Amino acid sequence: GQQLNQSPQSMFIQEGEDVSMNCTSSSIFNTWLWYKQDPGEGPVLLIALYKAGELTSNGRLTAQFGITRKDSFLNISASIPSDVGIYFCAGFTGTASKLTFGTGTRLQVTL
Amino acid sequence: GAVVSQHPSRVICKSGTSVKIECRSLDFQATTMFWYRQFPKQSLMLMATSNEGSKATYEQGVEKDKFLINHASLTLSTLTVTSAHPEDSSFYICSARAVAGALSREQFFGPGTRLTVL
Repeated sequence: GQQLNQSPQSMFIQEGEDVSMNCTSSSIFNTWLWYKQDPGEGPVLLIALYKAGELTSNGRLTAQFGITRKDSFLNISASIPSDVGIYFCAGFTGTASKLTFGTGTRLQVTL
Repeated sequence: GAVVSQHPSRVICKSGTSVKIECRSLDFQATTMFWYRQFPKQSLMLMATSNEGSKATYEQGVEKDKFLINHASLTLSTLTVTSAHPEDSSFYICSARAVAGALSREQFFGPGTRLTVL
């Protein structure tokens, strides 16, 4: 099925640095969701976005719903070791009930 | 938030046996539940969508006789891997969407079940 293009695929950063990742699609989405998955666990919902242009924060995380409705980004400020994991974007298109997933961004944080 | 549980968290079985995995929405009612499969270092792959009281809808390439799904209530869906073989070894994750309200615009995932078939 369709997948969202997520970049970068992986990132190695130092503790304290800011992180930015994005997700793009050729289709219009009406909801964007950002998840974090730890090894051996299911994805945990971080942020949900419902309107084009919407900017939403959750602690050190900030995500935006792109104006064109075809992209979204996630920023993590002042990264800490527990931010390590795989971050997935996901979205719903139109009336489709199926969630489309991004390819994932693997984040590694070094001390 | 909304909590989804899965049981068992991991299972090891012999080739040819069947394995049942349960998925429950603990604090909300789920109209629709989804079953995903995830291979190492890959994204989640949707296997099927189940709606309470009706037959599941399977994605292309997923054998419905191999992966039996039952969604008997608004809080419980089960996935049975029949006659499991080593190539069925994977991480199976369920998720759920609420019937109504703010939670219906989001999808919540269970902790996953690691299946190993010997």
